[in-house]
Amino acid sequence: KQEVTQIPAALSVPEGENLVLNCSFTDSAIYNLQWFRQDPGKGLTSLLLIQSSQREQTSGRLNASLDKSSGRSTLYIAASQPGDSATYLCSGGSNYKLTFGKGTLLTVNP
Amino acid sequence: GAGVSQTPSNKVTEKGKYVELRCDPISGHTALYWYRQSLGQGPEFLIYFQGTGAADDSGLPNDRFFAVRPEGSVSTLKIQRTERGDSAVYLCASSPMTGGPFESDTQYFGPGTRLTVL
Repeated sequence: KQEVTQIPAALSVPEGENLVLNCSFTDSAIYNLQWFRQDPGKGLTSLLLIQSSQREQTSGRLNASLDKSSGRSTLYIAASQPGDSATYLCSGGSNYKLTFGKGTLLTVNP
Repeated sequence: GAGVSQTPSNKVTEKGKYVELRCDPISGHTALYWYRQSLGQGPEFLIYFQGTGAADDSGLPNDRFFAVRPEGSVSTLKIQRTERGDSAVYLCASSPMTGGPFESDTQYFGPGTRLTVL
């Protein structure tokens, strides 16, 4: 059974700082690793999807990496902004079923 | 274009009552998923539809939970004899299912229905 763990549970940083969110998973036979953002009272917004054959994906200030052999993924956020404040969820997926971590609550202080 | 929509956004019911939660996926998406998110937790998989059929319902907690997708578009999650432990946010997602054998699609999530059982 896939288990996903996210560290840290919460993170508070000053605006402009670069930061890294960590995600680990127990079953390396994943089809994909997906990072989502969730704002309070809202649904999930997909940020980056890394297929099992890929090592990383980039979108703007976000970069996500995947190391299946070690069961780890990281989400790097460059030059953080107050608008980045949200909960970030990592999910390891079969071809259809996503298993989520509990998330990292990020606060970027102006 | 329009995203995934879910109705109602909030539902308050009494213990023992029956509720229905509706999901309208993105037009043309053949795959539809239901997840449940309890406070402070990540979403947990409930059921997956490919077209009209439930391809995997292994995440449904018990036989009080049932979901349908009769025409391969809108889906309804039905909960009988609700219990206080059913209180959670129920999330629906859809995807186009264009991935290859060892790939998968981005899942697009709706805003969720917050269910409160008193």
